[in-house]
Amino acid sequence: EVQLVESGGGLVQPGGSLRLSCAASGFIFDYYEMNWVRQAPGKGLEWVAYISSSGSTIYYADSVKGRFTISRDNAKSSLYLRLNSLRAEDTAVYYCARDSSGLVDWGQGTLVTVSS
Amino acid sequence: QSELTQPPSVSATPGQRVTISCSGSSSNIGSNIVNWYQQLPGTAPKLLTYSNNQRPSGVPDRFSGSKSGTSASLAISGLQSEDEADYYCAAWDDSLNAYVFGAGTKVTVL
Repeated sequence: EVQLVESGGGLVQPGGSLRLSCAASGFIFDYYEMNWVRQAPGKGLEWVAYISSSGSTIYYADSVKGRFTISRDNAKSSLYLRLNSLRAEDTAVYYCARDSSGLVDWGQGTLVTVSS
Repeated sequence: QSELTQPPSVSATPGQRVTISCSGSSSNIGSNIVNWYQQLPGTAPKLLTYSNNQRPSGVPDRFSGSKSGTSASLAISGLQSEDEADYYCAAWDDSLNAYVFGAGTKVTVL
């Protein structure tokens, strides 16, 4: 059974930083591309970042470019998202998702709240 | 403002058929596959259809996706109360180098 478990969310002040993690199991992690998607309270889905299976290709949404960094450790079957220079509008549930002709598996999400 | 345009809401009675439209452009729907996601209240999204019109295993055949040119649609036939959810279309956008979601459509079963 595929499992994706996010962690690392919490309350952070504007301008602060966080590192989110996504622990994957139930599939061969280094075969698959991965993504981060977020959802602000009461709002729709917003794609955040993509990383290829080897980590050699990375894309970001314009809204986070230069502030967020996606990475992966295939030896640990883990995906990461480093969030810097956080703003109130970054408040959201952050999901990691496995990519296979679509985002086929999602974690339960981790809540990031940016507030003073 | 999303690159993909969906109606904010649709509603119908049980057993009816509803269709959700998703309008894009040549850089996204026009040149890439479309996926649809279902998000039940309080849960993570779920892939409903992929590659324009394919269903993952376990998804009822009441759900069907289609694509024509720069538009796509999701049809739900034999609407059931458990179909009440938010539905999102999505596609890769070659101009933005980004995966874009529609703003979502809330389906209400009357």
